[in-house]
Amino acid sequence: DQQVKQNSPSLSVQEGRISILNCDYTNSMFDYFLWYKKYPAEGPTFLISISSIKDKNEDGRFTVFLNKSAKHLSLHIVPSQPGDSAVYFCAANYGGSQGNLIFGKGTKLSVKP
Amino acid sequence: ETGVTQTPRHLVMGMTNKKSLKCEQHLGHNAMYWYKQSAKKPLELMFVYSLEERVENNSVPSRFSPECPNSSHLFLHLHTLQPEDSALYLCASSQTTRLAVNEQFFGPGTRLTVL
Repeated sequence: DQQVKQNSPSLSVQEGRISILNCDYTNSMFDYFLWYKKYPAEGPTFLISISSIKDKNEDGRFTVFLNKSAKHLSLHIVPSQPGDSAVYFCAANYGGSQGNLIFGKGTKLSVKP
Repeated sequence: ETGVTQTPRHLVMGMTNKKSLKCEQHLGHNAMYWYKQSAKKPLELMFVYSLEERVENNSVPSRFSPECPNSSHLFLHLHTLQPEDSALYLCASSQTTRLAVNEQFFGPGTRLTVL
């Protein structure tokens, strides 16, 4: 059973608007969450993370929100740019798991000019 | 070279072949990882090495054999693979295995096809 779920395989957004990518998890032991971005023919690159003791983390155009009671996190990109078009992976980890990142299946974001 | 590099980028092999995937990190990290990404599935962690010692093996079949001769190099030796092993194999590294401190940096992957 998947512990990290990204239920939307794809998302299309107009340039300049907000992109919201969602992620749900089932394991309440997770204490650290990360978002990765992947372009074709490249490996995933780290984007932003959040600790479970926080509910928001912001880095430039990217903001991650965490709702622990709902076991839900989201990545907001504002404003969206065509270069943001990529596959976005949500990942989670719990302390003591020796680097074992649990990934979602990813959401493909397309930002249209 | 910078970051994490992987060779070869593409590999086609028969089920009776033996091949190896190579990963090298130029970041001074102490932990290295092998992941598998199959079509329409999440990335799956296969192996974790910390300071050249294997610390995690996620129930991976013995036809996959990792080797970490030093903290900069990681190999995945392949033998008698099955067609269902065809996937993208990604290598990653991090400063430590404590992810609350450092994120993982990924290589571009090796696209493996088993005939």
